[in-house]
Amino acid sequence: QVQLVQSGAEVKKPGDSVKVSCKASGYTFSNYDINWVRQAPGQGLEWMGWMNPISGNSGYAQKFQGRISMTRNSSISTAYMELSSLTSEDTAIYYCAKAGQGATIFYWLDPWGQGTLVTVTS
Amino acid sequence: DIVMTQSPDSLAVSLGERATINCKSSQSVFYSSNDKNYLAWYQQKPGQPPKLLIYWASTRESGVPDRFSGSGSGTDFTLTINSLQAEDVAVYYCQQYSSTLITFGQGTRLEIK
Repeated sequence: QVQLVQSGAEVKKPGDSVKVSCKASGYTFSNYDINWVRQAPGQGLEWMGWMNPISGNSGYAQKFQGRISMTRNSSISTAYMELSSLTSEDTAIYYCAKAGQGATIFYWLDPWGQGTLVTVTS
Repeated sequence: DIVMTQSPDSLAVSLGERATINCKSSQSVFYSSNDKNYLAWYQQKPGQPPKLLIYWASTRESGVPDRFSGSGSGTDFTLTINSLQAEDVAVYYCQQYSSTLITFGQGTRLEIK
């Protein structure tokens, strides 16, 4: 079955960077974009951006421009999201999610990874 | 960016009754070229990632019980849960994908009355 498995929880200090991984299985990794969405404690879903595994192209929400990078290692079907200059406001669960349809830039998200808690604290 | 606004923020419904959640977009998410509304609904239970329920505004994802249905077009959409079950307690989100910049509604918390 299609599955996304993310790396474990992280504790970071303000100013640090964090890199979260998302390993895909059960489908052809290169055929579907990977998106990242985060959820602050008790809050709603905030879309961060997308990455195309074939081209490596990515697009980010304005809010994260300049401090986010989405990459991949296709040989191991794994996507990565790196966020820099962390503050306490970045404390959240970070989810990767597969595009619901391929060969398009317009899609729903399905399935989602289990989430990675990133805590930023001094 | 397209702003998605859900209503209500929370609601309590009795077991076996109907729950209705609304979602309004700041601009149309309908494409006449393929006659489709670029709108999805998700369910999120505590401690779990979101789960896709509906896409194209009204197409139920495989395995989703048929008591869940989606309707609407353009800027106004509704998620209806008929015959509410205890396991339906969750937060529900709408999402538009008519733009390369995906946006979600703020979520609606559904509880049992």
